[in-house]
Amino acid sequence: QLQLQESGPGLVRPSETLSLTCTVSGDSISRSPYYWGWIRQPPGKGLEWIGAIYYSGSAYYSQSLRSRVTISIDTSNNQFSLRVNSVTAADRAIYYCVRQQGAAPRRVDYWGQGTLVTVSS
Amino acid sequence: QSALTQPASVSGSPGQSITISCTGTSRDVGAYDYVAWYQQHPGKAPNLIIYDVTNRPSGVSDRFSGSKSGNTASLAISGLQAEDEADYYCSSYTGDMYFVRFGAGTTLTVL
Repeated sequence: QLQLQESGPGLVRPSETLSLTCTVSGDSISRSPYYWGWIRQPPGKGLEWIGAIYYSGSAYYSQSLRSRVTISIDTSNNQFSLRVNSVTAADRAIYYCVRQQGAAPRRVDYWGQGTLVTVSS
Repeated sequence: QSALTQPASVSGSPGQSITISCTGTSRDVGAYDYVAWYQQHPGKAPNLIIYDVTNRPSGVSDRFSGSKSGNTASLAISGLQAEDEADYYCSSYTGDMYFVRFGAGTTLTVL
């Protein structure tokens, strides 16, 4: 059974960089045709797709965040990561790592449990 | 980037059927058959229940069904059960630089 698990600091200071890692177990992150992505959800609000990456390293980002986001992949450790620069209070959200079909997620069939990241000094 | 339009809430009694709408534009819902629906219980991650407008993943009850007409997609739930009480989100591929757009979510209450 495929499982995804987010890890990283739950508190980030304003203007600093948010960094999260997702560890995938139960299958290889190099398995085609899946992409590995990040989706966030401010508490009590809706979902926002951040971006995704293929095992080859090709990454795709939402227009709204692309200037501040980097997604990378480490196939040897079956992990992928998210970095969001210059965070503000608006970046406070539950961050989910996901497996998706296609660079643009036609469907997201596996989700991590999510991790809450708060932005505060 | 605007969200797809969903009703904020719907309700129904056990055994009844309900429908949740998801309205987009001719550039997303109306242009592609890549609409998905997700169910999210409180404190849990979303769970895929419908993809490509009408398809159900393995293990999802056949009480859930999806359809689309023009720029509006719909999720129907028949034979409502208490466990169906949750938030429901639609999503659609957009073909633009945002790649995908989500609805704002609909809270289903089973009376």
